[in-house]
Amino acid sequence: DVKVTQSSRYLVKRTGEKVFLECVQDMDHENMFWYRQDPGLGLRLIYFSYDVKMKEKGDIPEGYSVSREKKERFSLILESASTNQTSMYLCASRSYRPLGETQYFGPGTRLLVL
Amino acid sequence: AQSVTQLGSHVSVSEGALVLLRCNYSSSVPPYLFWYVQYPNQGLQLLLKYTTGATLVKGINGFEAEFKKSETSFHLTKPSAHMSDAAEYFCAVSSTGANSKLTFGKGITLSVRP
Repeated sequence: DVKVTQSSRYLVKRTGEKVFLECVQDMDHENMFWYRQDPGLGLRLIYFSYDVKMKEKGDIPEGYSVSREKKERFSLILESASTNQTSMYLCASRSYRPLGETQYFGPGTRLLVL
Repeated sequence: AQSVTQLGSHVSVSEGALVLLRCNYSSSVPPYLFWYVQYPNQGLQLLLKYTTGATLVKGINGFEAEFKKSETSFHLTKPSAHMSDAAEYFCAVSSTGANSKLTFGKGITLSVRP
């Protein structure tokens, strides 16, 4: 059974803190993604990674960075958290195939920045 | 560029009634189309997808969707709503090719009345 796990379900941080969100998949997938979900805005892509040590900006990368040192792990970093980064963060992974492969999602991390 | 339009943010139906959730897309290339469902406090789960072949696609939990190229639509239907269908539903589009990205609509919340 496919599995994408995220390190925390709920997280409370202070403005200016450095925040790490971790995502691990056990499906040997090449592609991994970080999304942000806000009411009325749907899911917006922050960053994605085609493979280990590869990354590309998505639609809203400002204020975020990522790291992918191992195939199974994709980390999202908020260098200096701000209140407008309060949101639900979803990680997903997908196999590298050009046939509309399914993205598999983790349960999400709800981040509150005070 | 690709985009997805899901009109309205909330649909309410009675238990046993038809469910119809609308999705229109814009894509410069033949698209792959997806419907995902998100139950409260969970990540997204694939309901169904269209890649190639038959335009009427059947998914899990009795849902189906039909790809209509001439109308650029991929509406989701279920003949008889169940209380357990209450959730948020997202339509998404991607281009063909490896490493393609998903573009999501804003989502529709489905409520089911007893």
